[in-house]
Amino acid sequence: GEDVEQSLFLSVREGDSSVINCTYTDSSSTYLYWYKQEPGAGLQLLTYIFSNMDMKQDQRLTVLLNKKDKHLSLRIADTQTGDSAIYFCAEKGPVGGYQKVTFGTGTKLQVIP
Amino acid sequence: GAVVSQHPSWVICKSGTSVKIECRSLDFQATTMFWYRQFPKQSLMLMATSNEGSKATYEQGVEKDKFLINHASLTLSTLTVTSAHPEDSSFYICSAREQGSTSVEQFFGPGTRLTVL
Repeated sequence: GEDVEQSLFLSVREGDSSVINCTYTDSSSTYLYWYKQEPGAGLQLLTYIFSNMDMKQDQRLTVLLNKKDKHLSLRIADTQTGDSAIYFCAEKGPVGGYQKVTFGTGTKLQVIP
Repeated sequence: GAVVSQHPSWVICKSGTSVKIECRSLDFQATTMFWYRQFPKQSLMLMATSNEGSKATYEQGVEKDKFLINHASLTLSTLTVTSAHPEDSSFYICSAREQGSTSVEQFFGPGTRLTVL
């Protein structure tokens, strides 16, 4: 089945850039997502990228997709303490098929003031 | 943006009792709702996909008689954990996809923390 992997923890200083990495196995993924989860809360969609794109920028967020290597990254510029949270990458299966979204294990981002 | 609520936000129950969790789309109609389970420091595991007016589709390994899902209207889906046991303690999150939307987004509820004593 589909598998999505992330490193568990990342610590950065306030003002630095954060890069959270994700690898996936499903070569037929159509969309790849980044979600943010704050303690005790549900998930908030941060951004997503269609599988035929290799980069998407949205304010402080930059998503890079290497489809050949099945590698996705999220860069947060000028990281703030409010960015501290768990970040999940997720992938969605092919159009027309059972469009299940598979989530990664989550990366806990700690921002040090 | 679209809002999804869950009720209750947390519940403590005794082993052997049943617990119902509600998921509501507040400002949109949801043809499809999803139920996830999240263990501490782990990812979300999809339990089932719920379509309005039809039976839910359960993921492999999820007991349909244990986790009863009802999606009776376009704004409400319920998950009932029957005869709950301590191993059912978890964070349950629902999400909803808007009817007729071509958007890729699922809107997530805030989650319900279930503790079974």
